[in-house]
Amino acid sequence: GENVEQHPSTLSVQEGDSAVIKCTYSDSASNYFPWYKQELGKRPQLIIDIRSNVGEKKDQRIAVTLNKTAKHFSLHITETQPEDSAVYFCAASRTQGAQKLVFGQGTRLTINP
Amino acid sequence: EAGVAQSPRYKIIEKRQSVAFWCNPISGHATLYWYQQILGQGPKLLIQFQNNGVVDDSQLPKDRFSAERLKGVDSTLKIQPAKLEDSAVYLCASSSLLTTQYFGPGTRLTVL
Repeated sequence: GENVEQHPSTLSVQEGDSAVIKCTYSDSASNYFPWYKQELGKRPQLIIDIRSNVGEKKDQRIAVTLNKTAKHFSLHITETQPEDSAVYFCAASRTQGAQKLVFGQGTRLTINP
Repeated sequence: EAGVAQSPRYKIIEKRQSVAFWCNPISGHATLYWYQQILGQGPKLLIQFQNNGVVDDSQLPKDRFSAERLKGVDSTLKIQPAKLEDSAVYLCASSSLLTTQYFGPGTRLTVL
């Protein structure tokens, strides 16, 4: 079955700097890669996603890149702000809908003022 | 649109007791998922329903966990008897064929 590895497990950056979180996956049939943000005690919330026919996607300060050949994808947050502090999870599945997500272990991101 | 609803939000029980969680998905979402999230880890799928049929329950500990989705809408997840290692947040999510998964607020279970 699918296995998703996520690194680093913790990340601390200065406010205004960039943060990068990386994930690798094992199932070459995976085609959909969402990223979720989970604040303490709250539900995971989708922040950005990418499909395998696209190499990069950007939404304001957040971007995701995908290298299907190498089976890895990354989340980039630029101009970080204190409210970006949270746990971020990457995930993979074979399709966008009606398919289970396999999650990475999570990255705790701390933005230092 | 209303989100995924779950209840209760918190539950504390003794080991060997039983517990049940309830989930109401987003209206029109045919697929419903139950995930277990142990502290410090990513969510792990327990069971996936498509309407009222089970699609994937390969990681559900069937000797103690059960789930149903009668009428293809609401769902309940039951643990009987509970063990200490069942302490976790139980997340319900729903999706349609054209959308990603949306999560409920979760039920935090503590087994003493």
